[in-house]
Amino acid sequence: GENVEQHPSTLSVQEGDSAVIKCTYSDSASNYFPWYKQELGKRPQLIIDIRSNVGEKKDQRIAVTLNKTAKHFSLHITETQPEDSAVYFCAASISILTGGFKTIFGAGTRLFVKA
Amino acid sequence: DVKVTQSSRYLVKRTGEKVFLECVQDMDHENMFWYRQDPGLGLRLIYFSYDVKMKEKGDIPEGYSVSREKKERFSLILESASTNQTSMYLCASSLDTEAFFGQGTRLTVV
Repeated sequence: GENVEQHPSTLSVQEGDSAVIKCTYSDSASNYFPWYKQELGKRPQLIIDIRSNVGEKKDQRIAVTLNKTAKHFSLHITETQPEDSAVYFCAASISILTGGFKTIFGAGTRLFVKA
Repeated sequence: DVKVTQSSRYLVKRTGEKVFLECVQDMDHENMFWYRQDPGLGLRLIYFSYDVKMKEKGDIPEGYSVSREKKERFSLILESASTNQTSMYLCASSLDTEAFFGQGTRLTVV
């Protein structure tokens, strides 16, 4: 079945530095790659996503890149701020033959931004 | 705003009990999902449903079943709760891409 691996599990950066989180997926039929942010005690929320026909997408300080050949995708956060501290999850979605789709998540990266 | 509501925030159940976790969404989404969240393991898919009465196994379905009798409601059932099912359970719904999560149910099996 589909497997998503995420690295690193923990990342600590100084405020203003960049943070990069990397993921790989196993099923080449995956066609949608969202990233979720989960703050302490809260539910995960979508922050950015990318489809398989796009190589890069940017939204203010966050960007996502996708390399379909290598089955890699990455999240880049620039000019990090303390409020970026959270757990970040990558995910890969795949359509299923009977209808609908399923989304498999990585194990998460706990990001600490030190002021 | 999409609202996904889980019936309980905290539950404590005894080993061997039958446990029902309920999830309701108000946006007419076809797709609903149940995940469990454990430290270091992320969100693992238990079951998902893409239509009323339709269900598919996720990665860790053992010990669980689900029910989707109405479009807005997706129930997770632990037939005989065990201590290794102590976890945070998250329900989500989706129209086509973005998943909207409930607030989570922290289940403790003693």
